[in-house]
Amino acid sequence: AQSVTQPDIHITVSEGASLELRCNYSYGATPYLFWYVQSPGQGLQLLLKYFSGDTLVQGIKGFEAEFKRSQSSFNLRKPSVHWSDAAEYFCAVENTGFQKLVFGTGTRLLVSP
Amino acid sequence: NAGVTQTPKFQVLKTGQSMTLQCAQDMNHEYMSWYRQDPGMGLRLIHYSVGAGITDQGEVPNGYNVSRSTTEDFPLRLLSAAPSQTSVYFCASSYGEEQFFGPGTRLTVL
Repeated sequence: AQSVTQPDIHITVSEGASLELRCNYSYGATPYLFWYVQSPGQGLQLLLKYFSGDTLVQGIKGFEAEFKRSQSSFNLRKPSVHWSDAAEYFCAVENTGFQKLVFGTGTRLLVSP
Repeated sequence: NAGVTQTPKFQVLKTGQSMTLQCAQDMNHEYMSWYRQDPGMGLRLIHYSVGAGITDQGEVPNGYNVSRSTTEDFPLRLLSAAPSQTSVYFCASSYGEEQFFGPGTRLTVL
């Protein structure tokens, strides 16, 4: 069965510092990969997605992610974090069988002044 | 467009009570789904539908029923609520690979 691992439950980053959130997946073929962000009390917003092609994908709010097949990873990065980026971030893989997402357990990002 | 809407936003139930969580979308999406979110577990798929009249089970379907009589609506029914169903419930719809999520319903079962 497909699975997604986000090894970091919490991460604290200083405002202006760079950010990398880790995501590893288990899947038999090249999956569709997603990163979502959830602000407190809100629904999920899609940050970016990877289906095929260029392994470095750009998303909204200055985020990017790199697909590395050899490492089964899809890490999310941002060069300079803003206080408004404090939220919970979810990596997800599309399960076989038509648009069924399997989510990781999430990483909560805290931004310190 | 309102996107995906969910009602109610909050609900408290007693064990054994029944209720329906409403979900509607105005984007004419064929695919709709229900997830539950629990601390430390991410989101897990409960049920999904690939079109009106067609539903199927996801990862955690027990205790929940769904039906899809129209493209727009996809209600989730709890027939006999249990404390283990305390969670935040999200509805989503999609046409292609991107799913659009509603704002969620926070349900507490006492």
